Amino acid sequence: DVKVTQSSRYLVKRTGEKVFLECVQDMDHENMFWYRQDPGLGLRLIYFSYDVKMKEKGDIPEGYSVSREKKERFSLILESASTNQTSMYLCASSSSGTPRVNEQFFGPGTRLTVL
Amino acid sequence: DQQVKQNSPSLSVQEGRISILNCDYTNSMFDYFLWYKKYPAEGPTFLISISSIKDKNEDGRFTVFLNKSAKHLSLHIVPSQPGDSAVYFCAASEMNYGGSQGNLIFGKGTKLSVKP
Repeated sequence: DVKVTQSSRYLVKRTGEKVFLECVQDMDHENMFWYRQDPGLGLRLIYFSYDVKMKEKGDIPEGYSVSREKKERFSLILESASTNQTSMYLCASSSSGTPRVNEQFFGPGTRLTVL
Repeated sequence: DQQVKQNSPSLSVQEGRISILNCDYTNSMFDYFLWYKKYPAEGPTFLISISSIKDKNEDGRFTVFLNKSAKHLSLHIVPSQPGDSAVYFCAASEMNYGGSQGNLIFGKGTKLSVKP
């Protein structure tokens, strides 16, 4: 079974703090993704990566950066947290091969609150 | 502009009856569609998918129908059970083996409540 783990389930930070959200997958997937989920807005893609040291902006990258130094790990960084970044953050991974191409496997999520 | 739309934010159904969740898309390049289910405080989990070469895919109580000409798909749950109460996300993509075209585009979700 694919396992995607996220470093924290719940996190409370103060405005202006630097925040690191870590994601690890154990199925040797090439692709990794960071989303945020907000009520009424669905899942919005922040950043994604198709290979080590590679990153691409998603739909809402402003205020975020990412790092992928190892294939299994994808980190999301909030350089200076703001209250509008309070959200549920979801990490996902997928394989570029078959059988279900593009199926993404999600972690349990991190509920981040910025005060 | 939204490429994947779930126009019903919520749906309430009686236990044992059919639940029908709808999804519309605008991009004719989409050729692979997925449904995810999400419980509160958990990540979404894959439910069922369909490629554009089919118009129906069935897995137990779950069936997805695809109408390419109308750019519409629907998820049917029969019979509905209280444990099906969750948020359901429709997602679409272009089937390929890498590149941003392989990303999933999600709808905003429909919250299903199945009442005993």
